[in-house]
Amino acid sequence: GEDVEQSLFLSVREGDSSVINCTYTDSSSTYLYWYKQEPGAGLQLLTYIFSNMDMKQDQRLTVLLNKKDKHLSLRIADTQTGDSAIYFCAESLTGANNLFFGTGTRLTVIP
Amino acid sequence: DTAVSQTPKYLVTQMGNDKSIKCEQNLGHDTMYWYKQDSKKFLKIMFSYNNKELIINETVPNRFSPKSPDKAHLNLHINSLELGDSAVYFCASSQSTSGSLNNEQFFGPGTRLTVL
Repeated sequence: GEDVEQSLFLSVREGDSSVINCTYTDSSSTYLYWYKQEPGAGLQLLTYIFSNMDMKQDQRLTVLLNKKDKHLSLRIADTQTGDSAIYFCAESLTGANNLFFGTGTRLTVIP
Repeated sequence: DTAVSQTPKYLVTQMGNDKSIKCEQNLGHDTMYWYKQDSKKFLKIMFSYNNKELIINETVPNRFSPKSPDKAHLNLHINSLELGDSAVYFCASSQSTSGSLNNEQFFGPGTRLTVL
């Protein structure tokens, strides 16, 4: 299987920026995704980036992709307590249906 | 309207039993999936299925079998449940089929299975 790695925990203060990092091993990824999982809930797609892009911005979210280093990051500006959740990066590969998920990063926002 | 729904939300059962989890999507998608999320929150694909092919993660025991009565449903049947099967199972669907680019998947709310 594919290896998609993330740090398990991140704590930030309300109003600060959060940066969640993800590394992957397969260079044939086509799209890379960020999903959010709130406690007791399913996964919600936050944003995605095509593998030939370097950056994508969507309101408070900025996705950076370094394809050479196989590194993906999600920056959340002005982090709010409602952003507390587990964030999963995922990649889809050419010719494959399913997504390969990272280990998830639990973001805790301290008021 | 719920896009991807699963029933039941919670399932508690004894070891050795056989159980099913149902999944339905009303998005008109071609492909459906089952994922397993263990107690450490690791999320792994179990199956992907469209009306042409079933792709099975080779690590999934053959006690697990997906059953699709029609394009909008992919149920998960589990035989002879074991303690290690306790997890949250997520169903998902997408429009794409193999080889397509954007594989945005929509997830159900999950079914928490507890095997005693």
